[in-house]
Amino acid sequence: GQQLNQSPQSMFIQEGEDVSMNCTSSSIFNTWLWYKQDPGEGPVLLIALYKAGELTSNGRLTAQFGITRKDSFLNISASIPSDVGIYFCAGQQLHYGGSQGNLIFGKGTKLSVKP
Amino acid sequence: DVKVTQSSRYLVKRTGEKVFLECVQDMDHENMFWYRQDPGLGLRLIYFSYDVKMKEKGDIPEGYSVSREKKERFSLILESASTNQTSMYLCASSYGPFYGYTFGSGTRLTVV
Repeated sequence: GQQLNQSPQSMFIQEGEDVSMNCTSSSIFNTWLWYKQDPGEGPVLLIALYKAGELTSNGRLTAQFGITRKDSFLNISASIPSDVGIYFCAGQQLHYGGSQGNLIFGKGTKLSVKP
Repeated sequence: DVKVTQSSRYLVKRTGEKVFLECVQDMDHENMFWYRQDPGLGLRLIYFSYDVKMKEKGDIPEGYSVSREKKERFSLILESASTNQTSMYLCASSYGPFYGYTFGSGTRLTVV
């Protein structure tokens, strides 16, 4: 199936630092979503983006839908220990064969925060 | 609070056993999905369903089957469990095409 290239694969940061991760694709997407997965749990939706150029914040998290519609980034400011987990980007396309807009996921960015 | 509930958090099964993983959602969602998650490989789609009694293969359906007899319930079946099916299994549902997914908490399956 199609893939999203998510980077970095992992990050080890100090508490208080800012974090940036991104997803890129060779295809255009109509929706970008960012999920967080706490250790031992299922992913939870953080932010959804629906328009090219859109910039959306959720507390210390900020995400943007790239102008080309082929990328998105997520920033976390002033990281804290509970930010630890795996962050997934996901994209949706209007038309993709028979899968009617199924989400396509990146492989995740594993974030570790040192207190 | 809307929910996707997976029946077991942890399962240990023997090679060759038939294994059922159950998923129930209380949101009246049309679409349901089964993924497996392995380190470094991300989320891989096994099967999905857009309606009762309807199923479609995802990217890695081999060794699995599914059942959706009721709208709220989507079961993943391992016909004959093998050690390479040891993994975290995640169920998800969505209202329809182009909506975000709600995930369950996952079932960590170990096949010995």
